[in-house]
Amino acid sequence: SYALTQPPSVSVAPGQTANIMCGGDNIGKKGVSWYQQRPGRAPLLVIYGDGDRPSGIPERFSASNSGNTATLTINRVEAGDEADYYCQIWDRGSEKPVFGGGTQLTVL
Amino acid sequence: EVQLVESGGGLVHRGGSLRLSCAASGFTVTTYYMSWVRQAPGKGLEWVSIVYADGRIYYTDSVRGRFTTSKDTSKNTLYLQMNDLRAEDTALYYCARTVNNWNSNWFDSWGQGTLVTVSS
Repeated sequence: SYALTQPPSVSVAPGQTANIMCGGDNIGKKGVSWYQQRPGRAPLLVIYGDGDRPSGIPERFSASNSGNTATLTINRVEAGDEADYYCQIWDRGSEKPVFGGGTQLTVL
Repeated sequence: EVQLVESGGGLVHRGGSLRLSCAASGFTVTTYYMSWVRQAPGKGLEWVSIVYADGRIYYTDSVRGRFTTSKDTSKNTLYLQMNDLRAEDTALYYCARTVNNWNSNWFDSWGQGTLVTVSS
């Protein structure tokens, strides 16, 4: 079955740029979605499809996807961005959504 | 405004059953894909089940044959019937509205979750 790999943690100073990676076989050929989950809260969609942002998500959030790696980029990181971030794809072969293991973003 | 409200969680013994509900408002569950996603304590997100708008239903391997997803269109509600529960089913269960295109799908709205605890 298809698997997505994320680093367990990423740390960044306020105002800097955070890059959160998501690895998968030929993931560049798939649409990748990203979710933010703050402690004690439900996940929130921040990027979907081909890198689109839902209404209300700041432009500081963007994504790229090529080869075997998808990347969520958060520019000008703020304390409020501290959360777990999950990537997700649709595995058409098995008709199943697949989540990465999640990355904890720490704002130093 | 889109809203999803889960209920029905609780403490159950191993081998027992529970039925979770997800009441939707602001949209019609029959016109969207709908999913259940769970999160074990301190762990990541795990997809459980999806029901397509055309009625097809898929499950993750670990729950197939034990869990059943259904919809009540008159109540605009999604259900998850869970039988033969195991300790590893302990998790916060979310329902999520699911959007699909040719190359991907995504969960654009989530409920607050309902906690299921299976005691051994």
